[in-house]
Amino acid sequence: QVQLVQSGAEVKKPGASVKVSCKASGYTFTGYYMHWVRQAPGQGLEWMGWINPSTGGTNYAQKFQGWVSMTRDTSISTAYMELSRLRSDDTAVYYCARGCSITSCYVGENWFDPWGQGALVTVSS
Amino acid sequence: DIQMTQSPSSLSASVGERVTITCRASQSISIYLNWYQQKPGKAPKLLIYAASSLQSGVPSRFSGSGSGTDFTLTISSLQPEDFATYYCQQSYSALTFGPGTLVDIK
Repeated sequence: QVQLVQSGAEVKKPGASVKVSCKASGYTFTGYYMHWVRQAPGQGLEWMGWINPSTGGTNYAQKFQGWVSMTRDTSISTAYMELSRLRSDDTAVYYCARGCSITSCYVGENWFDPWGQGALVTVSS
Repeated sequence: DIQMTQSPSSLSASVGERVTITCRASQSISIYLNWYQQKPGKAPKLLIYAASSLQSGVPSRFSGSGSGTDFTLTISSLQPEDFATYYCQQSYSALTFGPGTLVDIK
């Protein structure tokens, strides 16, 4: 079955960087966009951007441009999200989620299924 | 960015009740509206995509409707496992989510 398994919880100090991984299985990793979404404690969902695992091309939400980096390693079917210059309000659960098929995605077909289990990143001094 | 609102922000309902949640977009998004269910401590789960298409494996008591700016998610007969937070998400441009609607037990 299609599954996304993320790395574990992290505790970071303000100003540091964090890199979260997302290992895909059960489908062709390079065939689907991978998105990242975060959720601060008790808050709603915030889309961060996507990566095309086939080409490495990315599209970041305007808010995160300049301080998020999404990469992938196709040899191990794993996507990564790195957030730099962390602040306390970056404390959140970070999710990866599969998007649409790269070869057949149409405008508006940007829903997420499935999702990884989430990785809690705590930023605290 | 397109802003999404949901109403109500929370509701209390009994098992067997019909529940309707509304989502409104700040501009027309055609049918590019998706719905998710999230239970505490768990990742969101896709219920409905493209406004009214039921995701595989999702019970038929869930349905979606709407187009343009106004959309609804309906649970025809609320079950114990349906108590959760529901989010809408527009996929027309610069993907954004609604603030969520908490459905709890009356």
